[in-house]
Amino acid sequence: GQQLNQSPQSMFIQEGEDVSMNCTSSSIFNTWLWYKQDPGEGPVLLIALYKAGELTSNGRLTAQFGITRKDSFLNISASIPSDVGIYFCAGQGSGGSYIPTFGRGTSLIVHP
Amino acid sequence: NAGVTQTPKFQVLKTGQSMTLQCAQDMNHEYMSWYRQDPGMGLRLIHYSVGAGITDQGEVPNGYNVSRSTTEDFPLRLLSAAPSQTSVYFCASSSGTSAAQETQYFGPGTRLLVL
Repeated sequence: GQQLNQSPQSMFIQEGEDVSMNCTSSSIFNTWLWYKQDPGEGPVLLIALYKAGELTSNGRLTAQFGITRKDSFLNISASIPSDVGIYFCAGQGSGGSYIPTFGRGTSLIVHP
Repeated sequence: NAGVTQTPKFQVLKTGQSMTLQCAQDMNHEYMSWYRQDPGMGLRLIHYSVGAGITDQGEVPNGYNVSRSTTEDFPLRLLSAAPSQTSVYFCASSSGTSAAQETQYFGPGTRLLVL
């Protein structure tokens, strides 16, 4: 079964607020990935992290690869209505496997 | 490039019927995979393939068959559909297994309802 714990499960926020979500694992990963899924679409990659401690930004999004390699965080600053969707974390490279393990997702709703 | 394409977009089946979900990619990716997405369950891996002629089971393979006769195509077969297979199915591909190649590109999904 899945090894990743993603939280929170859902978030309801006002436009302009900052958002934080995270994933934790009992296993060490070599790569952490964050995807966004718009309603009715497939997931799209937002940020990829390849090194422990790495902090990477993509516009208003910032993600970090935890020092222990067992966790990752995604922050969204100054949220806007188009940020609505489901955000998934994924870890790869645990035990030499390249098969990604996905979190259960964080559903984000932004009220205008 | 069209990326990853999936057909059909929607499908309704009766219990016991069979069907094939099509997936194709035009990026010459070696690695392809099938996921199902159910509410609150995230993405669960059904089957995957690391290249033409090679397939393997994922987390939830029961009730599904796959084959990989070409690099481009990776069809998913339901031999005898069951209501528990009602879900949204995503196909994904990536170019390889080394860092920076591991990023998966997802198709738009097939929404399946089994009555």
